[in-house]
Amino acid sequence: GQNIDQPTEMTATEGAIVQINCTYQTSGFNGLFWYQQHAGEAPTFLSYNVLDGLEEKGRFSSFLSRSKGYSYLLLKELQMKDSASYLCAVSLNAGNNRKLIWGLGTSLAVNP
Amino acid sequence: GAVVSQHPSWVICKSGTSVKIECRSLDFQATTMFWYRQFPKQSLMLMATSNEGSKATYEQGVEKDKFLINHASLTLSTLTVTSAHPEDSSFYICSARDNYMGTEAFFGQGTRLTVV
Repeated sequence: GQNIDQPTEMTATEGAIVQINCTYQTSGFNGLFWYQQHAGEAPTFLSYNVLDGLEEKGRFSSFLSRSKGYSYLLLKELQMKDSASYLCAVSLNAGNNRKLIWGLGTSLAVNP
Repeated sequence: GAVVSQHPSWVICKSGTSVKIECRSLDFQATTMFWYRQFPKQSLMLMATSNEGSKATYEQGVEKDKFLINHASLTLSTLTVTSAHPEDSSFYICSARDNYMGTEAFFGQGTRLTVV
């Protein structure tokens, strides 16, 4: 079966750095996505990793280790608006119908 | 990024009626569209995948006669919830991808369905 694990909740302070981990065991792998979702809204794309290593994009960075089935999302200089759910999703090898398998999301609360 | 428009953003309907949700890609060709359902504090659950001009592929446990999906053009897919019941109340989200553009899928705004 497919399995994606990430912590349920995290709390951090404004201005700090937080790392959200994601581990996966899937039957195929065609890349890993991180999405941000505010309550009542659709997810918005943050990052995509298909090769090992760190991808940096402004305050957000994402890391992937395929051999370990592990990724993390790093958020720097946290702002109150970063309070949201962060979803890890793995793209499976399924031709043109490559599916995304989703983790349950990590609810991040940023406190002043 | 590319824009996906989903309509309506919310709808309230009576039990037993049908509701249609539209998902449009505004500036790209959506060769593949995905329909998700999300219950409160839960992750996205894929309901079905559809390619333009083909029948949708439904995930296990999703009733294809209850959730009718039509993907008749490269810019429009619709999800019709037939004979809706209160347990169908949920957040429905579509996402669309141009398989020639890349791997990323773009999400619509979501539709909050409440069946009373």
